[in-house]
Amino acid sequence: AAQLTQSPSSLSASVGDRVTITCRASQDISISLAWYQQKSGEPPKLLIFDASTLESGVPSRFSGSGSGTDFTLTITGLQPEDFATYYCHVFKSYVAFGGGTKVEIK
Amino acid sequence: QITLKESGPTLVKPTQTLTLTCTFSGFSLTTPGVGVGWVRQPPGEALEWLAHIYWDDDVYYSLPLKTRLTITKDPPKNQVLLIMTNMDPVDTATYFCAHRVLGKDAFDVWGQGTVVTVSS
Repeated sequence: AAQLTQSPSSLSASVGDRVTITCRASQDISISLAWYQQKSGEPPKLLIFDASTLESGVPSRFSGSGSGTDFTLTITGLQPEDFATYYCHVFKSYVAFGGGTKVEIK
Repeated sequence: QITLKESGPTLVKPTQTLTLTCTFSGFSLTTPGVGVGWVRQPPGEALEWLAHIYWDDDVYYSLPLKTRLTITKDPPKNQVLLIMTNMDPVDTATYFCAHRVLGKDAFDVWGQGTVVTVSS
């Protein structure tokens, strides 16, 4: 089963910044990767599935890219409500989550 | 509108069996392609997938926990149950259930979660 490694584990950024989070799979998972945002005390919220497809209602400043083993989540123009923890997720016959990336205010 | 809600005991003792119920609305587990999964999150830690079940009774379990988990469904009641045996303090976590539909490799709607503490 594939394992997912996210980097960095945390980062500090300012409102308006461009933020990039990476997720590396231990084996080829094609495009079966999703990204979630989680705020403290809340369930995860789906942002992107199939590596690059934006979930309905998610702002277009969020984008995803990649295939195979290397994937990226980009937030272009960080907003105050984007400070949260982000997780990547593979969903095939096996399922796994990355370790998370906490985006904090600089 | 799809909603899910988890319920169950908030406190269990070590070695006991935990039974959690996910009650949902807005979809049916008799519809082809539909599934429900369970994910947990220990305090301050990352998400961990546990199990999921599909409309056709196909089930999948986390390999490290497979011997301790059972997932079942009750479509007329719109419920999915998760049973975890031999609970340990390391199983203390928030437990979430979530909806999935084949063709979208993700859990697209989540419940609010239920906190389970394992302590004597």
